[in-house]
Amino acid sequence: GESVGLHLPTLSVQEGDNSIINCAYSNSASDYFIWYKQESGKGPQFIIDIRSNMDKRQGQRVTVLLNKTVKHLSLQIAATQPGDSAVYFCAGAYNTDKLIFGTGTRLQVFP
Amino acid sequence: AAGVIQSPRHLIKEKRETATLKCYPIPRHDTVYWYQQGPGQDPQFLISFYEKMQSDKGSIPDRFSAQQFSDYHSELNMSSLELGDSALYFCASSLGRYDTQYFGPGTRLTVL
Repeated sequence: GESVGLHLPTLSVQEGDNSIINCAYSNSASDYFIWYKQESGKGPQFIIDIRSNMDKRQGQRVTVLLNKTVKHLSLQIAATQPGDSAVYFCAGAYNTDKLIFGTGTRLQVFP
Repeated sequence: AAGVIQSPRHLIKEKRETATLKCYPIPRHDTVYWYQQGPGQDPQFLISFYEKMQSDKGSIPDRFSAQQFSDYHSELNMSSLELGDSALYFCASSLGRYDTQYFGPGTRLTVL
């Protein structure tokens, strides 16, 4: 079946360090992946997305890497700031409207 | 920039009551999605609409129904509410199917 899962439930980093959040998916037919940031009591906020014909995409302070061989996705946040503290979800779409979300990873940034 | 609007933001109902959640997509977005998020869980897809027609369906209970109107807003109707329906309900919209989904702030439903 389809599933998208995260390796770690909590990630603690020091302010200024780089953060890497990982995600694995099971359906090799998946063609679209998204990273969302969710702060407490708020809706998921779009960060960055990537399609299966790419292996890397960069945004402002964020980079998403896609390794289709091992069905792995990662989100890298450069120079992590306190405002980056949140739960991060990866989600995949498999030729349908619906996003399949993975289990969130809580990112904690310490001063 | 305009975002997805959801109302109400908070809703408290008794068991077996009904509830209606509303979603107003980002202007020009023609696709609307509904998700349910339980405490400490990831969002689960319920249903989606494209150009006022149901386009995909997920784990939506038969007690729930939804529709998209001519102005593209959508309503999620929930009947015979159960305690387990207590959750955050998110609406998302996109400009066309398979495009980036932007989420609203959610409606927190509490069933007592």
